[in-house]
Amino acid sequence: GIQVEQSPPDLILQEGANSTLRCNFSDSVNNLQWFHQNPWGQLINLFYIPSGTKQNGRLSATTVATERYSLLYISSSQTTDSGVYFCAVDGSRLTFGEGTQLTVNP
Amino acid sequence: GAVVSQHPSRVICKSGTSVKIECRSLDFQATTMFWYRQFPKKSLMLMATSNEGSKATYEQGVEKDKFLINHASLTLSTLTVTSAHPEDSSFYICSVQAGFWDGYTFGSGTRLTVV
Repeated sequence: GIQVEQSPPDLILQEGANSTLRCNFSDSVNNLQWFHQNPWGQLINLFYIPSGTKQNGRLSATTVATERYSLLYISSSQTTDSGVYFCAVDGSRLTFGEGTQLTVNP
Repeated sequence: GAVVSQHPSRVICKSGTSVKIECRSLDFQATTMFWYRQFPKKSLMLMATSNEGSKATYEQGVEKDKFLINHASLTLSTLTVTSAHPEDSSFYICSVQAGFWDGYTFGSGTRLTVV
């Protein structure tokens, strides 16, 4: 099956800092999503982005499908951005990476 | 995307009992729903694909008799953990995909604790 690797596994930031999360995948995919899992476990869809670039407020994402990677940018981070960020790709089934645990300190 | 409701959000049960978790698609008729399991500090693993009106498709290594899935209508899929044991304690979460080119939407999850 498709392998999904996310980096870094852990990230600690001061409020206001910017960050880039990366997702590499091993094969062609039909789509790719970025999720934020909050402390209560809810998975919140951030982007549905099989290719190209999208922006939503302080967040943006870019997927380069031909090179099999995606990047999630978080600018001017806030404490509420803390949580786990997952990349998930859809080949024959939705496969998740191991996630990036983000902690934003005040 | 679709709106998905999952209940209960948290349940504690005794070893040997069964627990039923419901996943409802509120605004979309879902012929297929997906059930995932997540261990603490770990990623989500697909357990099974629930198919309306037919048998679920289980991933390798998932016990069919332990995790019973029923998808009797286009808006409801249920996961029953039978004869639960402490090792079944986990976070269970369902999802739907509104269309092939649409993203997946997830329920709020159920945290199961077996004591």
